[in-house]
Amino acid sequence: ETGVTQTPRHLVMGMTNKKSLKCEQHLGHNAMYWYKQSAKKPLELMFVYNFKEQTENNSVPSRFSPECPNSSHLFLHLHTLQPEDSALYLCASSQGQGRNNYGYTFGSGTRLTVV
Amino acid sequence: AQSVTQLDSQVPVFEEAPVELRCNYSSSVSVYLFWYVQYPNQGLQLLLKYLSGSTLVKGINGFEAEFNKSQTSFHLRKPSVHISDTAEYFCAVSWEQAGTALIFGKGTTLSVSS
Repeated sequence: ETGVTQTPRHLVMGMTNKKSLKCEQHLGHNAMYWYKQSAKKPLELMFVYNFKEQTENNSVPSRFSPECPNSSHLFLHLHTLQPEDSALYLCASSQGQGRNNYGYTFGSGTRLTVV
Repeated sequence: AQSVTQLDSQVPVFEEAPVELRCNYSSSVSVYLFWYVQYPNQGLQLLLKYLSGSTLVKGINGFEAEFNKSQTSFHLRKPSVHISDTAEYFCAVSWEQAGTALIFGKGTTLSVSS
């Protein structure tokens, strides 16, 4: 247990389904992130939230919709996904920036398969 | 745009041998550097970080890395590896203007065999 909990661990969904990924941290961190990890590709930053406000959207398609109701919870709502969206989705949190950035704490990820 | 290059996608080594995983970054500004490890079916775990001060940084599991500003490198080393070190290793960079976001390299798979 790293302090960042992601649910579910595995998800299989059809292209017409709607589902949500959940991330929760109780580390007192003020920033939370969604990353996509596909085979043979670098981790792709999707969204950044600082103090519940979205500060970065890295040209992510609108079929991915983030929600951050408070500084401890982060959701990724999914709808009408494509097979190429199958990947490991990682949530992370951090405290501070620049020289006070002590690095991220990652969750274990949600393995998403779109069929 | 800032970028991170991990020069080796796979590094096979024998147990108890030394290993170096290479990482180079592109930036003309002050950077902050990190190494993460990912075991199968898990998230990433922080190994070590360079924020300022001494250029030789020691981390967990016996790993260390050296920040070289002139060569824009942050190579990861371990003098003697174990089977349990088999994993994916990621180098990441952040900088003052980036706020909190990290940019990751593509990763290096370290395979340790007996």
